[in-house]
Amino acid sequence: DADVTQTPRNRITKTGKRIMLECSQTKGHDRMYWYRQDPGLGLRLIYYSFDVKDINKGEISDGYSVSRQAQAKFSLSLESAIPNQTALYFCATSDRGLVYGYTFGSGTRLTVV
Amino acid sequence: AQKVTQAQTEISVVEKEDVTLDCVYETRDTTYYLFWYKQPPSGELVFLIRRNSFDEQNEISGRYSWNFQKSTSSFNFTITASQVVDSAVYFCALRSLRNTGKLIFGQGTTLQVKP
Repeated sequence: DADVTQTPRNRITKTGKRIMLECSQTKGHDRMYWYRQDPGLGLRLIYYSFDVKDINKGEISDGYSVSRQAQAKFSLSLESAIPNQTALYFCATSDRGLVYGYTFGSGTRLTVV
Repeated sequence: AQKVTQAQTEISVVEKEDVTLDCVYETRDTTYYLFWYKQPPSGELVFLIRRNSFDEQNEISGRYSWNFQKSTSSFNFTITASQVVDSAVYFCALRSLRNTGKLIFGQGTTLQVKP
């Protein structure tokens, strides 16, 4: 099994629908992150969590919410999806040190029509 | 402010050419780490290299090499004798203590290697 698992891998949803993207990890890392990737903009941080009770907004949190259900699970919700939320979404984990980068999931490609 | 700039949006080369991908970063931290990731057409992010701010030695791994220069805040990536399989989006990223360890990405450079 992958260290960081994202579900679903692909999703098409309609404008106005609520959708949840799920992420689970087996790395035992405290820190988890949600990024979105748009062409020409790189990866931008949506939300991050340093432990179950510590959740923080990233640079583009509007329109999103998150839930850290357990150390291993971090879900991203779009309460009312809109077309400009069409993007590739990545979940990632890290330990507390700086030495290592992140462990990324395989991504969720979300299309809002 | 923490920032990573990859000024080259797209690069197209012919197979066997050498190509350099530029990365310029900004940070006030003295301790930080720089990374390069590759994103092939399949979409996953593949870790390529990590370099800490105290180690300015260049790194070579097969056809890949990295040139880290603190004086110019640059961490450039060179592919020698490029191959079609090198076609991908490449991201440079920065992680520093001042930014609570969050990974900051550049915009990415799309490399197309033509046969």
